[in-house]
Amino acid sequence: QKEVEQNSGPLSVPEGAIASLNCTYSDRGSQSFFWYRQYSGKSPELIMSIYSNGDKEDGRFTAQLNKASQYVSLLIRDSQPSDSATYLCAVKDDNAGNMLTFGGGTRLMVKP
Amino acid sequence: GAGVSQSPRYKVAKRGQDVALRCDPISGHVSLFWYQQALGQGPEFLTYFQNEAQLDKSGLPSDRFFAERPEGSVSTLKIQRTQQEDSAVYLCASSWQETQYFGPGTRLLVL
Repeated sequence: QKEVEQNSGPLSVPEGAIASLNCTYSDRGSQSFFWYRQYSGKSPELIMSIYSNGDKEDGRFTAQLNKASQYVSLLIRDSQPSDSATYLCAVKDDNAGNMLTFGGGTRLMVKP
Repeated sequence: GAGVSQSPRYKVAKRGQDVALRCDPISGHVSLFWYQQALGQGPEFLTYFQNEAQLDKSGLPSDRFFAERPEGSVSTLKIQRTQQEDSAVYLCASSWQETQYFGPGTRLLVL
């Protein structure tokens, strides 16, 4: 069974700090990796996607992928209170259907 | 443009009642997915359509769950004889290429 693991948190960081969110996955066939943000009572919203090893930066967000270690992370620079949400890691094995397999999410709290 | 819409947003059902949940995907999106999200958990895959064809229903938890997308656009997820363990948020997502866009979800409470 494919598994995606995240620390449930809460991860508490002060405003302006870097928040580091981590995710490991079990399926070596996974090829596409996504980070979604979910505010309480709302639907998941795509933050970043990454497909190859290394870093991908978009504004304050950086996704990092290491397929050998089966590890993907999301860094949020200059964290803001509005970043407080649950961050969901999702993976897709393109050879095993188009569905996303999600982790349980990490709750991030950014304190002013 | 309009995003994915779902209705109803909230549904309270008595145990044993049948329910139908509707999803209107983004216009032109070929792929449509249903996920179930229990409180405090990540979404779990239920089923996947490409146009009107249901290509994967491996995530449906029992034969009480049934989904259809007869004209390749609107989809309905039906749950027969609801049980308390069916209480969850049901999320619909549509996609074009890689990105899946989620609707607001239907929060189902079975009493």
